[in-house]
Amino acid sequence: KQEVTQIPAALSVPEGENLVLNCSFTDSAIYNLQWFRQDPGKGLTSLLLIQSSQREQTSGRLNASLDKSSGRSTLYIAASQPGDSATYLCAVVLIPGNTGKLIFGQGTTLQVKP
Amino acid sequence: GAGVSQSPSNKVTEKGKDVELRCDPISGHTALYWYRQSLGQGLEFLIYFQGNSAPDKSGLPSDRFSAERTGGSVSTLTIQRTQQEDSAVYLCASSLYRLEEQYFGPGTRLTVT
Repeated sequence: KQEVTQIPAALSVPEGENLVLNCSFTDSAIYNLQWFRQDPGKGLTSLLLIQSSQREQTSGRLNASLDKSSGRSTLYIAASQPGDSATYLCAVVLIPGNTGKLIFGQGTTLQVKP
Repeated sequence: GAGVSQSPSNKVTEKGKDVELRCDPISGHTALYWYRQSLGQGLEFLIYFQGNSAPDKSGLPSDRFSAERTGGSVSTLTIQRTQQEDSAVYLCASSLYRLEEQYFGPGTRLTVT
């Protein structure tokens, strides 16, 4: 059974720091991996999607990498801002089944202090 | 363009009552997913629609849960005889085709008293 783990569960950093959020998955037979942001009481906002054939994706201050063979992805946030405070979730789509359903990690709650 | 919308945003119901939750996906999106987010279980897949058919219902927790999609658009998730353990946030997502980027709605917070 595919398991997705995110470490750390919570993180607090001062404004301006660069930081890395980690995501690991047990089954490397993934189709893609998606990073989301969730603000309190809100739905999920898609940040980046990495196909299994890709190594990384970038959007603004965000960079996500994927190492399928080792079952790891990282989300790098450059020059963090208080507005980045939220819960970050990673999710994978498995190849078997091919329905596209997402399997989520438990999330990392980030607080960026001014 | 408009994103995924869900209604109601909040629903409080008494144990044993039936509830219906609605999802309006992004126009033209063929794939629609329902997920549930609860404190103890995190985010879990419930059901997947391709068009109006549901080839994957593997995440529905019991036969009290059912869903339908009509016109390849709006979907309704129905929970019969609600129990307290059904309390959670129910999230809907859609994508242009399966296996592509999913876009989520704001969710419906269900509280069963």
